[in-house]
Amino acid sequence: SQQGEEDPQALSIQEGENATMNCSYKTSINNLQWYRQNSGRGLVHLILIRSNEREKHSGRLRVTLDTSKKSSSLLITASRAADTASYFCATDGTGSYIPTFGRGTSLIVHP
Amino acid sequence: DGGITQSPKYLFRKEGQNVTLSCEQNLNHDAMYWYRQDPGQGLRLIYYSQIVNDFQKGDIAEGYSVSREKKESFPLTVTSAQKNPTAFYLCATEAYGYTFGSGTRLTVV
Repeated sequence: SQQGEEDPQALSIQEGENATMNCSYKTSINNLQWYRQNSGRGLVHLILIRSNEREKHSGRLRVTLDTSKKSSSLLITASRAADTASYFCATDGTGSYIPTFGRGTSLIVHP
Repeated sequence: DGGITQSPKYLFRKEGQNVTLSCEQNLNHDAMYWYRQDPGQGLRLIYYSQIVNDFQKGDIAEGYSVSREKKESFPLTVTSAQKNPTAFYLCATEAYGYTFGSGTRLTVV
């Protein structure tokens, strides 16, 4: 099974700034999903982008997908202290609907 | 957490002991999954079930067992054969994105 890999591993910003994290993967996908995990909790689904989509928005979140580069990015605009969490991307391989997860990006937003 | 209940929240296991982690859902989802998360790591798939009475091994199934006798329930047993079971265990269901439980933290004492 393939694994999405997030970059950077850690990101520290001030409240109000934008946060950008990236995800790279190795093989063809049907869709790519982004999740947030607060410390010691389960993952919360943020957004799903299909392989035929290039950009998707949800509130302050903007996700892009570049299948030619096998990469995706998650942009959080006007970040808040409550956005402090780990963010994971999950990919599935073509022909498979089992997502595999990277190690995540740990985001700290300072008030 | 979105209709998935994992229990207990914390679990302590003695050496050589089998323990069972509970996962119950009321979302009426067919597919259920168990993941293991170690510090600073991503989630690794242990077992998954796409329908009642059927389940498949994931990437790290050795030392674990599951059952799926009911749609609502997908318990995970960590057996004594699992030599390094200390981790955070997450159960999830799937329907247009994954819904996760709040996790069980297992510690060997």
